[in-house]
Amino acid sequence: GAGVSQTPSNKVTEKGKYVELRCDPISGHTALYWYRQSLGQGPEFLIYFQGTGAADDSGLPNDRFFAVRPEGSVSTLKIQRTERGDSAVYLCASSPGLAGVEQFFGPGTRLTVL
Amino acid sequence: LAKTTQPISMDSYEGQEVNITCSHNNIATNDYITWYQQFPSQGPRFIIQGYKTKVTNEVASLFIPADRKSSTLSLPRVSLSDTAVYYCLVGDLGNQGGKLIFGQGTELSVKP
Repeated sequence: GAGVSQTPSNKVTEKGKYVELRCDPISGHTALYWYRQSLGQGPEFLIYFQGTGAADDSGLPNDRFFAVRPEGSVSTLKIQRTERGDSAVYLCASSPGLAGVEQFFGPGTRLTVL
Repeated sequence: LAKTTQPISMDSYEGQEVNITCSHNNIATNDYITWYQQFPSQGPRFIIQGYKTKVTNEVASLFIPADRKSSTLSLPRVSLSDTAVYYCLVGDLGNQGGKLIFGQGTELSVKP
């Protein structure tokens, strides 16, 4: 079956620009997570959705980062006024919604801010 | 949240058994131990999860001593395709909302 998909796979932008990263979770999964992974580091939690609402956004680094999931399926991570330090791989994961159940990760979007 | 410590890297050869130990001295009563595997240019993949004693699935075994202050992921007869980064995670997923807290992981290199 189809796994988690993320688009684009690569995104190159210039400092100060706005970007949107998309995540299509596994059908029927109510929980959706965004993580950010820098080179040589483990993934870092950003935000968690249960259905349409953000249940935990404590990992968002600042107010330039925002994520939505308007219909409880596809999610978009939005980054305003990008900075070079935002360069990383952005990973999305989904799960059936039960805490403790394994999360299924997408391949990630590699964001490069020049 | 319990802090985890695991080796930065390990080397092995095809056909050998590999054991990766993770220390988590301040593990809490409700914490579970979970291991994920990550190949280059891919997202992490769940391997195994346990609370105490031993858990085995088709991929690996997880050994947890009685004091639960450490755990060992055992990969039997590794192949070149097991070359990856392995993450040990400890947490009360029910209270964390399921969010995963990753450390640096162990980079396993399997050689022919």
